[in-house]
Amino acid sequence: AQSVTQLDSQVPVFEEAPVELRCNYSSSVSVYLFWYVQYPNQGLQLLLKYLSGSTLVKGINGFEAEFNKSQTSFHLRKPSVHISDTAEYFCAVSVASGSRLTFGEGTQLTVNP
Amino acid sequence: NAGVMQNPRHLVRRRGQEARLRCSPMKGHSHVYWYRQLPEEGLKFMVYLQKENIIDESGMPKERFSAEFPKEGPSILRIQQVVRGDSAAYFCASSPLRDQETQYFGPGTRLLVL
Repeated sequence: AQSVTQLDSQVPVFEEAPVELRCNYSSSVSVYLFWYVQYPNQGLQLLLKYLSGSTLVKGINGFEAEFNKSQTSFHLRKPSVHISDTAEYFCAVSVASGSRLTFGEGTQLTVNP
Repeated sequence: NAGVMQNPRHLVRRRGQEARLRCSPMKGHSHVYWYRQLPEEGLKFMVYLQKENIIDESGMPKERFSAEFPKEGPSILRIQQVVRGDSAAYFCASSPLRDQETQYFGPGTRLLVL
């Protein structure tokens, strides 16, 4: 079985600062990796995904993530955050096409003025 | 192309009543997943369905919960005899045949059991 650990439950940052949200996973087989964002009382929106190929993945809203197989990590980064980036961020993995997603517990990013 | 639609968005039930949650996948999507998000927790997989078939229900509680995705109409998650512990947000996701790795989520149904 696979698992996902998001190392920080809360990340407060100031506007225009860089941010990194950490995600580590555990799996005995190859995985697909995803980051989703959830705004208050809304559903999940896909930010980016890694299926294969280049380990640096660019997503929407200026976010990017890097897949590191040796460290089993998929950290999410943004060089300069905005107030509007305040939300809950979830890292997720799946092990096959058409299989369930296993989510981390989420990281609440709060961007302060 | 409309996104994944779920209704109702909010549902209040008293203990012992039944709750029916509906999910209409995106157009052209034939795979539906249900997830549950308990307060202050991440999402947990419940069930994966294709039209008229349950593919994986390993995340479903053994009793009171059932799901279907009929040939025509939305997918239904049914909870019988609800208890307070069923209070949660229930999310539906869908994926297309040609991009099964990626799941697109609906806005969720927030169930409150009084």
